[in-house]
Amino acid sequence: AQRVTQPEKLLSVFKGAPVELKCNYSYSGSPELFWYVQYSRQRLQLLLRHISRESIKGFTADLNKGETSFHLKKPFAQEEDSAMYYCALSAFSGSARQLTFGSGTQLTVLP
Amino acid sequence: SQTIHQWPATLVQPVGSPLSLECTVEGTSNPNLYWYRQAAGRGLQLLFYSVGIGQISSEVPQNLSASRPQDRQFILSSKKLLLSDSGFYLCAWKDRTYEQYFGPGTRLTVT
Repeated sequence: AQRVTQPEKLLSVFKGAPVELKCNYSYSGSPELFWYVQYSRQRLQLLLRHISRESIKGFTADLNKGETSFHLKKPFAQEEDSAMYYCALSAFSGSARQLTFGSGTQLTVLP
Repeated sequence: SQTIHQWPATLVQPVGSPLSLECTVEGTSNPNLYWYRQAAGRGLQLLFYSVGIGQISSEVPQNLSASRPQDRQFILSSKKLLLSDSGFYLCAWKDRTYEQYFGPGTRLTVT
């Protein structure tokens, strides 16, 4: 069965500092990985997906199959980046493709 | 455009009472639908998913059940709530891509 691990429950950085949110996964197949974000009083929403190799709001994430990691990075954190971040893995289970989420990391960017 | 609704937004119920949470999706047909529970420090746990009317798959054995009486309606129910059922319940739908779209959620407190 697939598993997603986010080792940090809470992470605080100062504005302008680099930030890295860690995500490791275990899955026997070819993984499809995502980062979801939930800002205060807003819905959970997709931030980025590894297959599109895009940078969203300055965030990037590289899939490292050797280390089974998909860490989320931003070189200069902003206060508006404060939110709950979830790493997720998409895999078939039963009759449908499902997302398995990590336990989340609460990021706080301090002024 | 597609939208997803959940109600109620918040609910306080005594132990042993029944539960019915509703989720509806607009602007799409035959979506995959999902119920998640978000508990503090435990991330998002997939409870049920449905690939079509009347088709429900359960991921976690519990005293909750789900039904899909219409293509774009997904209901989470319980005959008798437990204290451990307290949490934040999220409904999501998925189109043909990998992305899931989440509703605003229902905060359930069992007292």
